[in-house]
Amino acid sequence: NAGVTQTPKFRVLKTGQSMTLLCAQDMNHEYMYWYRQDPGMGLRLIHYSVGEGTTAKGEVPDGYNVSRLKKQNFLLGLESAAPSQTSVYFCASGRFPGGQGWQDEQFFGPGTRLTVL
Amino acid sequence: EDKVVQSPLSLVVHEGDTVTLNCSYEVTNFRSLLWYKQEKKAPTFLFMLTSSGIEKKSGRLSSILDKKELFSILNITATQTGDSAIYLCAVGRYGNKLVFGAGTILRVKS
Repeated sequence: NAGVTQTPKFRVLKTGQSMTLLCAQDMNHEYMYWYRQDPGMGLRLIHYSVGEGTTAKGEVPDGYNVSRLKKQNFLLGLESAAPSQTSVYFCASGRFPGGQGWQDEQFFGPGTRLTVL
Repeated sequence: EDKVVQSPLSLVVHEGDTVTLNCSYEVTNFRSLLWYKQEKKAPTFLFMLTSSGIEKKSGRLSSILDKKELFSILNITATQTGDSAIYLCAVGRYGNKLVFGAGTILRVKS
């Protein structure tokens, strides 16, 4: 099992360019999440999905869009990149809660380091 | 507004020392408190706590939750250089979202 994978690992963009980050998970998890991590600010939730075909806004959604066309994939798009979007982006997935042994644990991908010049 | 505050922000210790990391929270619809360790890349799960006063232990690491005073601590005994990392505290809310603290950067010197 690969777990959660992210592509690309690194990317440099110029202001105004667009790009898509791809996240894939092979654990059959219902929930998927996109976070950004900035120094001194921990992980902040951008968007998330509770199942195929659904998406919802997190704490810092402005400037980003997402899509979940297949259960195993969650895409994060930047339509017009800005220097303020320079960050490390993490994707995570989690099981559907409930029942015995439910866990809030989320499983993280290795991250994408994005620089916007 | 939901808030998770970790302290200290960073600390440096020597191998063999014991450290205590703190996490306090004010979060609506609290369900659980989680600790993660982040080295160079992805955060990796350490513990999930849901009940007050019950210690969870894994080797030299242990953690406890106080739901009345709204805090948790993570203890690491006999620290090793491999414990150097960012330790993240997160609160799990109903609705399956985690609210993270800023993290504590731990550096263990040999």
